[in-house]
Amino acid sequence: AQSVTQLDSQVPVFEEAPVELRCNYSSSVSVYLFWYVQYPNQGLQLLLKYLSGSTLVKGINGFEAEFNKSQTSFHLRKPSVHISDTAEYFCAVSVGYGQNFVFGPGTRLSVLP
Amino acid sequence: ETGVTQTPRHLVMGMTNKKSLKCEQHLGHNAMYWYKQSAKKPLELMFVYNFKEQTENNSVPSRFSPECPNSSHLFLHLHTLQPEDSALYLCASSLQPQGSSYNEQFFGPGTRLTVL
Repeated sequence: AQSVTQLDSQVPVFEEAPVELRCNYSSSVSVYLFWYVQYPNQGLQLLLKYLSGSTLVKGINGFEAEFNKSQTSFHLRKPSVHISDTAEYFCAVSVGYGQNFVFGPGTRLSVLP
Repeated sequence: ETGVTQTPRHLVMGMTNKKSLKCEQHLGHNAMYWYKQSAKKPLELMFVYNFKEQTENNSVPSRFSPECPNSSHLFLHLHTLQPEDSALYLCASSLQPQGSSYNEQFFGPGTRLTVL
């Protein structure tokens, strides 16, 4: 069975500092990878996705992620965070036809002034 | 309206009440999902409808009853709920090509349910 691990449940960081949110997955077949963001009292919004091709994927709000097949990782990065980036971030993997869409437990990013 | 909408946004109900959550997608998608998001727990997939047919039911208690009358609408009927059912209920939809594993999901804003 596929699984997604987000090792850090909470990440506090000061404004304008860089941040990396880690995501590892387990799958023996090719996958599609996603990062979603959830702002307080809202649904999930897609930040970026990896389908194929370049392993460095750029998303909205200045975020990017790098797919590393050998390490089965898809870490999310931003070089300089803003207060408005405070939210919950979810990594997800899609593999196989239909409902095989698995979310990680989420990482709460808190940007401090 | 665009995207995925959910009503109501907030719902408070007693354990003996019967209520329904509604989800509507305006994206032309063919698959719809119900998720439960509780505090300090991962997102739990509850139900999946593909082409209006239920294809997944992750051991959800029978007090939750889904209904998908067409590919644009999804309901979650609630009856005799427990306080531990209080959570954010998220609806999502996707365009699932036949035979493809690609499944980008689009989410609604959720219904915050409180069971007293």
